Amino acid sequence: QKEVEQNSGPLSVPEGAIASLNCTYSDRVSQSFFWYRQYSGKSPELIMSIYSNGDKEDGRFTAQLNKASQYVSLLIRDSQPSDSATYLCAVGRLKLIFGTGTRLQVFP
Amino acid sequence: NAGVMQNPRHLVRRRGQEARLRCSPMKGHSHVYWYRQLPEEGLKFMVYLQKENIIDESGMPKERFSAEFPKEGPSILRIQQVVRGDSAAYFCASSPDKQGLNTEAFFGQGTRLTVV
Repeated sequence: QKEVEQNSGPLSVPEGAIASLNCTYSDRVSQSFFWYRQYSGKSPELIMSIYSNGDKEDGRFTAQLNKASQYVSLLIRDSQPSDSATYLCAVGRLKLIFGTGTRLQVFP
Repeated sequence: NAGVMQNPRHLVRRRGQEARLRCSPMKGHSHVYWYRQLPEEGLKFMVYLQKENIIDESGMPKERFSAEFPKEGPSILRIQQVVRGDSAAYFCASSPDKQGLNTEAFFGQGTRLTVV
């Protein structure tokens, strides 16, 4: 079993829709969770961090964490073509374990 | 406030040569991490350093790879006798010296190593 699992996609959504990205992790004691966005050929860019159960909102982004289910998700509201990228889920306090990423495509 | 600085951005080496990748963390950050991303694969942790100390090198290949973060100057990832399989993007990240859970790490632009 992979430590951090994501559906590789691509996830295709129309412009203006909500994109939902999911991630599961295997280490029950994990306490820090991050979402990074990576455009093709570029470096990962931190977009959200979440540490406690529930929702955390920042602009069009909402991160959701459920430690009992070992599940973390990212919702992107009002998706834009510029959101088209690979979204990486990462788990860990200092040493990060990354999922392989979900490729999101937002079409006009 | 400069971000994490990596150089060179692109590096081409012939098989058997040495590659030296440099990383200067963000101002105020004392933790440095190196990750490798192979084509079409995820980011893999290699090593975590603080000034003059290697904290966790569990992701480093046992041979040919080494890392340091001296008291003065950037962190260096060194790959000796490179082989084609070393071709990848190498990313450096840094985080501040904070206690607790909030340890957000920020990435540099990466060094794309090509071994020919």
